[in-house]
Amino acid sequence: KQEVTQIPAALSVPEGENLVLNCSFTDSAIYNLQWFRQDPGKGLTSLLLIQSSQREQTSGRLNASLDKSSGRSTLYIAASQPGDSATYLCAVRNYGQNFVFGPGTRLSVLP
Amino acid sequence: ETGVTQSPTHLIKTRGQQVTLRCSSQSGHNTVSWYQQALGQGPQFIFQYYREEENGRGNFPPRFSGLQFPNYSSELNVNALELDDSALYLCASSSRDRVLVDEQYFGPGTRLTVT
Repeated sequence: KQEVTQIPAALSVPEGENLVLNCSFTDSAIYNLQWFRQDPGKGLTSLLLIQSSQREQTSGRLNASLDKSSGRSTLYIAASQPGDSATYLCAVRNYGQNFVFGPGTRLSVLP
Repeated sequence: ETGVTQSPTHLIKTRGQQVTLRCSSQSGHNTVSWYQQALGQGPQFIFQYYREEENGRGNFPPRFSGLQFPNYSSELNVNALELDDSALYLCASSSRDRVLVDEQYFGPGTRLTVT
């Protein structure tokens, strides 16, 4: 059974810092991994999708990497801004299965 | 192209009642998945519908049921509501090939409160 954990649970940084969010999963036979952003009480916004054959994906100030062998993914946010404050969720899909989500990392970027 | 929509936005029900939540999938998508997200937790998979048939179910009791219509919109029904059913219910749509499920796009969710 796939299990997903995220570290840290919460993070508070001053504006402008670069930061890394971590996601770990127990079953490395994944199909893809997706990072989402969720604002309080809202739905999920897809940030980056990494297929199992890929090592990383980039979008603007965001970069996500995937290391299947170690069961890890990281989301790197460059030059953080107060508007980046949200909960970031990692979700992993195995072949023929649905998403298994981590509990999320709650990020606060202070002006 | 329209995104995933859900209705209602908020709902308050009493324990023991029944509730129906609705989801309209994104244009061109034939698969709908439902998730329950309790406060402070990640979403938990309830079930998925593909071409009007249930195609995978998470660890939820039978009082959670669903439908998918020919236009690929979907309903989630919950009977005999319990206090622990209070959560944000998320719908996600995607396009599915024979084996694999493509990137999922989420709706804004329905906040259900059971008192």
